[in-house]
Amino acid sequence: GAVVSQHPSWVICKSGTSVKIECRSLDFQATTMFWYRQFPKQSLMLMATSNEGSKATYEQGVEKDKFLINHASLTLSTLTVTSAHPEDSSFYICSANRVRGDTQYFGPGTRLTVL
Amino acid sequence: AQSVTQLGSHVSVSEGALVLLRCNYSSSVPPYLFWYVQYPNQGLQLLLKYTTGATLVKGINGFEAEFKKSETSFHLTKPSAHMSDAAEYFCAVSGGSQGNLIFGKGTKLSVKP
Repeated sequence: GAVVSQHPSWVICKSGTSVKIECRSLDFQATTMFWYRQFPKQSLMLMATSNEGSKATYEQGVEKDKFLINHASLTLSTLTVTSAHPEDSSFYICSANRVRGDTQYFGPGTRLTVL
Repeated sequence: AQSVTQLGSHVSVSEGALVLLRCNYSSSVPPYLFWYVQYPNQGLQLLLKYTTGATLVKGINGFEAEFKKSETSFHLTKPSAHMSDAAEYFCAVSGGSQGNLIFGKGTKLSVKP
């Protein structure tokens, strides 16, 4: 149990376009979902935390108008990178937990490359 | 505020040798501590976690970690390394009201034949 999926697993897009990444908890209802970004050979940096039905909480330095997060249901959260630029190229990973403060289960990640 | 320090960005061991990956944390509240493993181009897989109770925690793939409050440490060990253990390992502490994870910078484990 506790499987989290992400789609797509990789995406290449042109500069200026928008990209949507989906995160789903397949066999549990997620109280909270988290979005992380990981640059090559670096650790995960939390971008935002989202709870179903409410606005996401963004970490300092993360532009909420650029990284749109929607948490429409207890099993689905989406991250939309708007007007993507090459510096947005990164590995985006989501996670979810069943209960606040409990173990986070991670998705397999989405590799975004912006040309 | 909470933080995690992983000593050694790269650890290399021979197959069959002891694996020791170091993690120290800082927390103003009783911490929840985690070790995750990441294989190339993949997400994170939970190895083990400490919340409360027994301070020696056993995880998957033969790994274990011991919570030592006096040393603010949560080092990860495995008695005998296997080639398949080669990966990036992240220590994390749970902080914030929503259980946000604060990660260390990671330690890359290499296993030599």
